[in-house]
Amino acid sequence: GNSVTQMEGPVTLSEEAFLTINCTYTATGYPSLFWYVQYPGEGLQLLLKATKADDKGSNKGFEATYRKETTSFHLEKGSVQVSDSAVYFCALLNQAGTALIFGKGTTLSVSS
Amino acid sequence: GAVVSQHPSWVICKSGTSVKIECRSLDFQATTMFWYRQFPKKSLMLMATSNEGSKATYEQGVEKDKFLINHASLTLSTLTVTSAHPEDSSFYICSVTEETQYFGPGTRLLVL
Repeated sequence: GNSVTQMEGPVTLSEEAFLTINCTYTATGYPSLFWYVQYPGEGLQLLLKATKADDKGSNKGFEATYRKETTSFHLEKGSVQVSDSAVYFCALLNQAGTALIFGKGTTLSVSS
Repeated sequence: GAVVSQHPSWVICKSGTSVKIECRSLDFQATTMFWYRQFPKKSLMLMATSNEGSKATYEQGVEKDKFLINHASLTLSTLTVTSAHPEDSSFYICSVTEETQYFGPGTRLLVL
């Protein structure tokens, strides 16, 4: 079945450090892939997405590239800010195209 | 994108009581809404798909008599946790799909 595996957190970084959060998936075919972010006390927000192999999603300085050869969708940011502190979820869209399968989430904490 | 609200945002109840959680799509008519459950330090898990005017579709392992879902209109779906027990304490989140998934802010349920 479909599944998403994310690196365990928490990830603790200093401001302006480089961020990578690993995400790999198991699925039939080539599902759309997503990164969602949940800031403290808020609901989930779509951060970026990619719908086919080699697509790169980007938003707010974050990037992730859909790699079918490694079934990965790693999230990166060149220089994190304190305001990036949140929980990040990798997800894929199920075969029916109706619901999301989430990873367990990675907590990022950025200090100044 | 679609704006989704949930009510209440917080609820504390005694064991054995029933709790109703509302999910509203404020600017989008949603024939389908999704209910997720999020455990501490765990991923979101899809509980059920709420279908306007028909029965909800429950994921494997989710008790349909325990978690009653009613999707009476294109903008409102309700989740009722019947005879709640402490193990039902969790964060419940709904979502709608408009090209991508938009999530409500969630409802935190604490059963004493």
